[in-house]
Amino acid sequence: GESVGLHLPTLSVQEGDNSIINCAYSNSASDYFIWYKQESGKGPQFIIDIRSNMDKRQGQRVTVLLNKTVKHLSLQIAATQPGDSAVYFCAENMGTYKYIFGTGTRLKVLA
Amino acid sequence: NAGVTQTPKFQVLKTGQSMTLQCAQDMNHNSMYWYRQDPGMGLRLIYYSASEGTTDKGEVPNGYNVSRLNKREFSLRLESAAPSQTSVYFCASREGGTSNEKLFFGSGTQLSVL
Repeated sequence: GESVGLHLPTLSVQEGDNSIINCAYSNSASDYFIWYKQESGKGPQFIIDIRSNMDKRQGQRVTVLLNKTVKHLSLQIAATQPGDSAVYFCAENMGTYKYIFGTGTRLKVLA
Repeated sequence: NAGVTQTPKFQVLKTGQSMTLQCAQDMNHNSMYWYRQDPGMGLRLIYYSASEGTTDKGEVPNGYNVSRLNKREFSLRLESAAPSQTSVYFCASREGGTSNEKLFFGSGTQLSVL
């Protein structure tokens, strides 16, 4: 069935290290993927997106990788900072109104 | 530019009470959504409105009604609140003209039903 999942519910990284957050999706018809950051008590905030005709996209300190062969999405955060501590979740879209959201991974940045 | 604004931020209701959650966006977006977020679960769609004048049920519409008042505003009403409706509610919008568009979210309403 349709699902978007995350391999690690909690990820702890040292400040300054790189973080990698993973997401698996099962719907091969999905053609657009989004990463959101959600801080405690706030709404989801857009980080970066990628379309299915791409396998990599870079933003400021963030990179999203898409592997359609194994239906896997990852978010890489370079030089992780305390302000990066939050829950991160992925979403997939099939070009319609419908988005499927993952349950999220909590990123903890250790000083 | 405020984006998506939700009110109230917090609400406590007794079982059987009614209330309306308000949402407004100032981005001239066509599509608006209501989601609920529960621990251990991904966001689940309650209702959405593809454009002004239209609304459709999502994944978990039971116990809720919506009104797309105009292009800016999309409200969610609980007619008779139940403890199972304790959740965090998010309104979202997107431009809605094409596919593959990101959603913009409000800051949420934390609702407790006793």
